[in-house]
Amino acid sequence: GAVVSQHPSRVICKSGTSVKIECRSLDFQATTMFWYRQFPKQSLMLMATSNEGSKATYEQGVEKDKFLINHASLTLSTLTVTSAHPEDSSFYICSARRQGAGEQYFGPGTRLTVT
Amino acid sequence: AQTVTQSQPEMSVQEAETVTLSCTYDTSESNYYLFWYKQPPSRQMILVIRQEAYKQQNATENRFSVNFQKAAKSFSLKISDSQLGDTAMYFCAFIPSYNTDKLIFGTGTRLQVFP
Repeated sequence: GAVVSQHPSRVICKSGTSVKIECRSLDFQATTMFWYRQFPKQSLMLMATSNEGSKATYEQGVEKDKFLINHASLTLSTLTVTSAHPEDSSFYICSARRQGAGEQYFGPGTRLTVT
Repeated sequence: AQTVTQSQPEMSVQEAETVTLSCTYDTSESNYYLFWYKQPPSRQMILVIRQEAYKQQNATENRFSVNFQKAAKSFSLKISDSQLGDTAMYFCAFIPSYNTDKLIFGTGTRLQVFP
């Protein structure tokens, strides 16, 4: 149990376009989902925390108008990178926390390349 | 500040041997969660082991065990009978209180298992 999927696994887009990444908890309900960004050979940087049915909470320095997060149900959260630029190229990882549990379960990640 | 420190950027071990990865953390809370996550080359984050701070008994999951020293704020991971598939980046992480969802990560230790 506790499987989290992420789609797509890789995406290449042109500068100025928008990209949507989906994160789904497949076999449990996630009251809270998280979005991280990971640069090469570095740790995970938390971008935002999203709770089902409410607005996401963004970490300091993360532009909420650029990284739109929607948590429409207890099993789905989406991250939309709007007007993407090459500096947005990165590895994006989502995670989900099961209700009543402490640990987070992670999706396999999405590699975004903006050309 | 609530932080996690992993002082060993890289470690190596021979197959079948035992290796210990160190981790210290800082919090003023008495109730919190501690975790070790593994990130293999696939980049999928995998939960290795968890420990709740109120539990004195060290957590064990098959070949993985922890040495939790609450007073010293130390949470080391021991991997016994190392296997080639243990080669990965290992992140120590914690949720510093029961009042937050945020997972705070260390900088990681890259473990290489040699045949």
